[in-house]
Amino acid sequence: QVQLRESGPGLVRPSETLSLTCSVSNDSTSSHYWSWIRQPPGKGLEWIGYAFYTGSLNYNPSLRSRATISLDTSKNQVSLRLNSVTTADTAMYYCARGSLLGTAVRGVVIFDYYFDHWGQGTPVTVSS
Amino acid sequence: QSVLTQPPSVSAAPGQEVVISCSGSSSNIGPNYVSWYQQVPGTAPKLLIYENHKRPSGIPDRFSGSKSGTSATLGIAGLQTGDEADFYCGAWDNSLNGMLFGGGTKLTVL
Repeated sequence: QVQLRESGPGLVRPSETLSLTCSVSNDSTSSHYWSWIRQPPGKGLEWIGYAFYTGSLNYNPSLRSRATISLDTSKNQVSLRLNSVTTADTAMYYCARGSLLGTAVRGVVIFDYYFDHWGQGTPVTVSS
Repeated sequence: QSVLTQPPSVSAAPGQEVVISCSGSSSNIGPNYVSWYQQVPGTAPKLLIYENHKRPSGIPDRFSGSKSGTSATLGIAGLQTGDEADFYCGAWDNSLNGMLFGGGTKLTVL
């Protein structure tokens, strides 16, 4: 079955850049929308953004200025870079495979977006 | 930012049924499909429901989803102690131009 595994440093200093990698097995990053989602300790889920193999990228407006998601289809990996981190970026970071479809119905686009496979997550603490 | 509102917690006895609500707006649930995720403490979320009511392979039919207007509900019948988890709704938000999650609901099976 599809497997996603996140990796990266567990500790990042404030103002530095957080870099994470998600390795995908039994699927190709040349399909689906590959996303990053985070969860601060004791809190809910926050969508960070997605990358599609065509080069399409989309980010949560609250993180757009600091986040970069990229795909390496040759390695079947998805990466996240988040710069200028603060303690508010301390969270469990998940990689997830997304399905996104927009269908026009009577002039209105209906979006169908969900995540059917998730990695186990990798914890990141921002601290000096 | 738009929000999806869920009750912080629900509880019921084993064997009973519980319903978790997710209230949104014309920017998210109103026009778009809703998905639901189960997160057992210490583990990653798992897709339970997509496209408002569809269940992925392997999800028992005790779990059901529905949508009406700008709200959605997740129903869990025949509660088991193993169902204790946090549950999140999610939907595309047209203002955010991305995925919006509810705040989560903690289910306790008494």
